[in-house]
This record gives sequence, structure tokens and C-alpha cells, in this order.
Amino acid sequence: DTAVSQTPKYLVTQMGNDKSIKCEQNLGHDTMYWYKQDSKKFLKIMFSYNNKELIINETVPNRFSPKSPDKAHLNLHINSLELGDSAVYFCASSQDVLRQFFGPGTRLTVL
Amino acid sequence: SQQGEEDPQALSIQEGENATMNCSYKTSINNLQWYRQNSGRGLVHLILIRSNEREKHSGRLRVTLDTSKKSSSLLITASRAADTASYFCASISSGSARQLTFGSGTQLTVLP
Repeated sequence: DTAVSQTPKYLVTQMGNDKSIKCEQNLGHDTMYWYKQDSKKFLKIMFSYNNKELIINETVPNRFSPKSPDKAHLNLHINSLELGDSAVYFCASSQDVLRQFFGPGTRLTVL
Repeated sequence: SQQGEEDPQALSIQEGENATMNCSYKTSINNLQWYRQNSGRGLVHLILIRSNEREKHSGRLRVTLDTSKKSSSLLITASRAADTASYFCASISSGSARQLTFGSGTQLTVLP
């Protein structure tokens, strides 16, 4: 009965590979987000989707592509992984932006 | 650019003591929120204070907001070892897209 879930929890891969992270929320929220948290714990929004439509697309490389098949899912696909992509990626959802519910995070390590 | 700056970056106290964390922000805001992040976990919403409020309480938490100084503080009273976590302020700028901007966080360690 987890509210916001992400898979996988850990992802270790080689430079140049393509990988995906999946996110699902069962809260019935309209808006979902992807955040990146760096090694200094600084958290920055990457994307926001509202009812399957992209509403925020911060300055991230176009190697990152979010996909929302329905409003309960927001997946993140990353092409041609680079060392600097190593971070913890968090999915979140909210009904309004005032209170966001976060997933447990996916720790991505690019070797 | 980073909206919020928090200080201290790290705080270590004994169980039972109070912990105060501060957050400063740069632009006008509609509200400010505080989140907690336990090690290896996602963020959890703690409390929200609106721009027309000066103080808010929730259990052992007390949040203040000074819009003239563009700052907020989070006070945790009678701290417990379980309060050990990182604490982040987050704000939505007035007129911005529906986007939360997080501060840099304070790592609180409560020693038993």
C-alpha cells in the first residue's frame, strides 16, 4: 500500500548505457514530478507532469525523457548515461503543489 | 539558482535539547514548507506556513516566517534520537509555475 513507489531502488550501470526508472503513485494525484538530488543533498526539480501533460521542464539534457502513460505513472528514461548523472532520483506526486509525497528514491551510479 | 539557503548546514545536539534551523529565500513567496529526509529515504512533508502567517505549531514543531527578512525558522523541541534527519525548507515563488524550490538542507543529529 505504498503511496509513491519507484523501481529500481539501486541502479549501477556503465557510461553510455540507456536506463529507465519507473514511478507509480496510488494517491489519485494529478501531478507527478522528478527530482535529482546530488551528493551534497541539493534537490532540484527536473520535470513535472499534470494529467499526463508536461508542465515543467527544467534545464536538463535532452538525454532525459519523461514518459507518462497515465496519471498514476511517470517514468524517466535516460540515454547515453554520463558520470555526472550519478545521483539519487526522486519521484513525487501531489494534488496541489502545496504538499508533495515523495518516493523512496533511486540511487543511480554510473561507472 | 538555489532559492533557499539553510543554516546551519549541520547541527548536533543531545536528546532533550531544542534544535533550531533557519532558512533564507530570495524571491517573494506564497508559502513556505518544511520537509524531513531520513537517511536513504524520500522527503516527508512536515508543515506549511502561508505568507500571511507569522508562526505555526504542529506537535513539537514550531515554524516562524518573516517575509520582511525573507527567512523562516524551524524549531524542534525536546528532540529525540528519531529526529535525526536532514531538514529542508521549500517555497513556491509568487506567480511562478507550480514548482517547489528546495533549500540546501540542515543535517540534524540528535545524540542519545
